[in-house]
Amino acid sequence: EAQVTQNPRYLITVTGKKLTVTCSQNMNHEYMSWYRQDPGLGLRQIYYSMNVEVTDKGDVPEGYKVSRKEKRNFPLILESPSPNQTSLYFCASSFRASRDSSYEQYFGPGTRLTVT
Amino acid sequence: SQELEQSPQSLIVQEGKNLTINCTSSKTLYGLYWYKQKYGEGLIFLMMLQKGGEEKSHEKITAKLDEKKQQSSLHITASQPSHAGIYLCGAPRTDSWGKLQFGAGTQVVVTP
Repeated sequence: EAQVTQNPRYLITVTGKKLTVTCSQNMNHEYMSWYRQDPGLGLRQIYYSMNVEVTDKGDVPEGYKVSRKEKRNFPLILESPSPNQTSLYFCASSFRASRDSSYEQYFGPGTRLTVT
Repeated sequence: SQELEQSPQSLIVQEGKNLTINCTSSKTLYGLYWYKQKYGEGLIFLMMLQKGGEEKSHEKITAKLDEKKQQSSLHITASQPSHAGIYLCGAPRTDSWGKLQFGAGTQVVVTP
């Protein structure tokens, strides 16, 4: 089954304790992306990756890191989480991102993170 | 910067009635996605539009992209309780197609 998986689904942590949210897709997609969703602010892009070893900042990258060492995985790293990073996080993947064509983005189920 | 304006912010519709959601961009869009989200859950892909004037339908949901590729509408015919949720439009940014923006969402409530 084609899917994007995220782990963990729920996480409560404390300020400053490094954490990683994993994202994996089984569709051989080139493009992957991370979003956070907050009430009143909608869905905002954190980082994206056009392909292996190619990553770039989205609209709200501060406090986050990513890596894309393999095509299928795109982990989101919070080196020193703070309460303002409490949010619902989504990973997504797409066949490709290009100017000439748009491709459907498949979203993961979400990770609800609480930082106390 | 390109932004997507969605309207209305929320709407309540009686079961069996039609509804329309709009998504407007200040710049020409490369593509436009429509997603549905149940509260706190993942996004479910509905439709993708790319060409000016394009229209797609799936079951009772129809999406259109205008000729100028700056406005899209999502129309639901004879709404059912299963149509309740949050509808979001999204599009690649015109200055960087790797970057995607989403509208703020429209919450749809279907009453008996």
